[in-house]
Amino acid sequence: KAGVTQTPRYLIKTRGQQVTLSCSPISGHRSVSWYQQTPGQGLQFLFEYFSETQRNKGNFPGRFSGRQFSNSRSEMNVSTLELGDSALYLCASSLAWEGPYEQYFGPGTRLTVT
Amino acid sequence: AQSVTQLGSHVSVSEGALVLLRCNYSSSVPPYLFWYVQYPNQGLQLLLKYTTGATLVKGINGFEAEFKKSETSFHLTKPSAHMSDAAEYFCAASGGGADGLTFGKGTHLIIQP
Repeated sequence: KAGVTQTPRYLIKTRGQQVTLSCSPISGHRSVSWYQQTPGQGLQFLFEYFSETQRNKGNFPGRFSGRQFSNSRSEMNVSTLELGDSALYLCASSLAWEGPYEQYFGPGTRLTVT
Repeated sequence: AQSVTQLGSHVSVSEGALVLLRCNYSSSVPPYLFWYVQYPNQGLQLLLKYTTGATLVKGINGFEAEFKKSETSFHLTKPSAHMSDAAEYFCAASGGGADGLTFGKGTHLIIQP
């Protein structure tokens, strides 16, 4: 089975711009979660989608949003980029949103905001 | 709310020595617990997980972890370190719902030749 794929792998944007990141989960996985990884804050949960519905959201401003499509692929969008948004954004997929299902992570998208 | 604490941001061991990475969780209900490894410029790879049942969990690459409810701990061990084990290790907890994983700050494992 192919793993979780994320595109693009690297991205450079200017402060004030917006960006869209894409994630394709493992085939058959219906839950997709997004995380932000920075040296200072570590790994932080952004949001989780299951069956095109956002089930939960972490403590991030409204500039961070996402969606999931009927084929379980997910996108996250960050509007009005700030320098502090520079991070590795990781997507993870899982069979379901309830229960002890492990999450499988993609390689991440490295976003640099200048 | 859950929290995960990893003791030691950096751990250095000699090749062939025991690896011990410490993780403590804080939760009113024992959560599901995981250990992930991250190599440079890569995503996270699951090493092992604890859900219910046997408290000693074996994972990939010779790693294992023991869930101790009385100590709220889930330490990761490997009897003999290998150079390829050098990486960042993350302990994580989940309540089993859509609350995502709560991660520790990570421990950078250094293997000395």
